[in-house]
Amino acid sequence: QAVVTQEPSLTVSPGGTVTLTCGSSTGAVTSGHYPYWFQQKPGQAPRTLIYDTINKHSWTPARFSGSLLGGTAALTLSGAQPEDEGEYHCLLSYSGARVFGGGTKLTVL
Amino acid sequence: QVHLVQSGAEVKQPGASVKVSCKASGYTFSNYNLHWVRQAPGQGFEWMGISRTTSETTNYAQKFQGRVTMTRDTSTGTGYMDLSSLRFEDTAVYYCARGGGTGWKDWGQGTLVTVSS
Repeated sequence: QAVVTQEPSLTVSPGGTVTLTCGSSTGAVTSGHYPYWFQQKPGQAPRTLIYDTINKHSWTPARFSGSLLGGTAALTLSGAQPEDEGEYHCLLSYSGARVFGGGTKLTVL
Repeated sequence: QVHLVQSGAEVKQPGASVKVSCKASGYTFSNYNLHWVRQAPGQGFEWMGISRTTSETTNYAQKFQGRVTMTRDTSTGTGYMDLSSLRFEDTAVYYCARGGGTGWKDWGQGTLVTVSS
């Protein structure tokens, strides 16, 4: 089974920009992996921010964007807010099977 | 409005089985796949498998092959995830999520399964 890698933790200043990445042990991440990004706050169910690389849900703040960057899937947060602090998880698809990354703990400080 | 309502918390002994339900409302249940995901305490997520609409087939993560069974009852709009031969490390919150092109828009509230002797 493929291994999906994320930064364990990142810190961003309020108003700053940060990019979270999601890599695959099988090689470059492409749109064919249909990358997803989920946000989770403590004690809550996750919610999907980005799906199929770049698509947003109605609740996804405009400051979040998804892309492919240097062989990884990327989630960029531009203009970080205190409420963006939490865990971010990516998910990749491998011919129908899905694999989650280990998650990134994002601190806004 | 779409809702996925899961069954309540369970405490099971090692070696036992657990069946978690996920009752859907607000959409045509038979038209959408259902994913099952779990999260152990303080850990990341694990994708367990998918219960598809097409011929009601399933795909399970390799890790759970032989221990997990995902079924669906179209008449009641309910999906089920059955995990057998429980181990302490199966203690986790189990979630269902609606797939099928929705961008995993909808999630259940989660079901805590505790494996304890």
